[in-house]
Amino acid sequence: NAGVTQTPKFQVLKTGQSMTLQCAQDMNHNSMYWYRQDPGMGLRLIYYSASEGTTDKGEVPNGYNVSRLNKREFSLRLESAAPSQTSVYFCASSVVQGTQYFGPGTRLLVL
Amino acid sequence: GIQVEQSPPDLILQEGANSTLRCNFSDSVNNLQWFHQNPWGQLINLFYIPSGTKQNGRLSATTVATERYSLLYISSSQTTDSGVYFCACTSGTYKYIFGTGTRLKVLA
Repeated sequence: NAGVTQTPKFQVLKTGQSMTLQCAQDMNHNSMYWYRQDPGMGLRLIYYSASEGTTDKGEVPNGYNVSRLNKREFSLRLESAAPSQTSVYFCASSVVQGTQYFGPGTRLLVL
Repeated sequence: GIQVEQSPPDLILQEGANSTLRCNFSDSVNNLQWFHQNPWGQLINLFYIPSGTKQNGRLSATTVATERYSLLYISSSQTTDSGVYFCACTSGTYKYIFGTGTRLKVLA
């Protein structure tokens, strides 16, 4: 099992460009999450998907959109990137009321 | 929303020493997890522990939900224990709030 995979691993964007971060899990988990981690800080929840077909806002959703494509995949889109979105992005999955398993992260630099 | 505070913010240990990391939370929680982020940035779940005590090898954790705190114990520390330890809580089911972490460095 690969667990939780994320692509790309690293990306550089210019202000105003758009991109989609991909996440997939092979653990048959219902719930999936997107977090961002800024230097020296803990993780902050951007969006989550409790189950296939549902998504909901977390702590810092502004500037992002998500799609729960199917049970395995949960993507995060930046429509118009800003320097404030420079961060490391982590995807996670879990069963309901269970341990979260994290992907390796995507490092995003917005110039 | 829930406020999560971790202490100490930084900790330096000699290999073989024991340590206790603390997580305080401001409201009642349904779920609480401890994670280790290694120096390469990878996040590893350690414990899912909304209440009670669990042990896994040299690590153990206790959550006293009525007192609104959780403790992570590391015994006989090793250099591979270095990294950042995060506590994350939610009063619901999905909206986890992370603390700012305890940065641990274990010296050989």
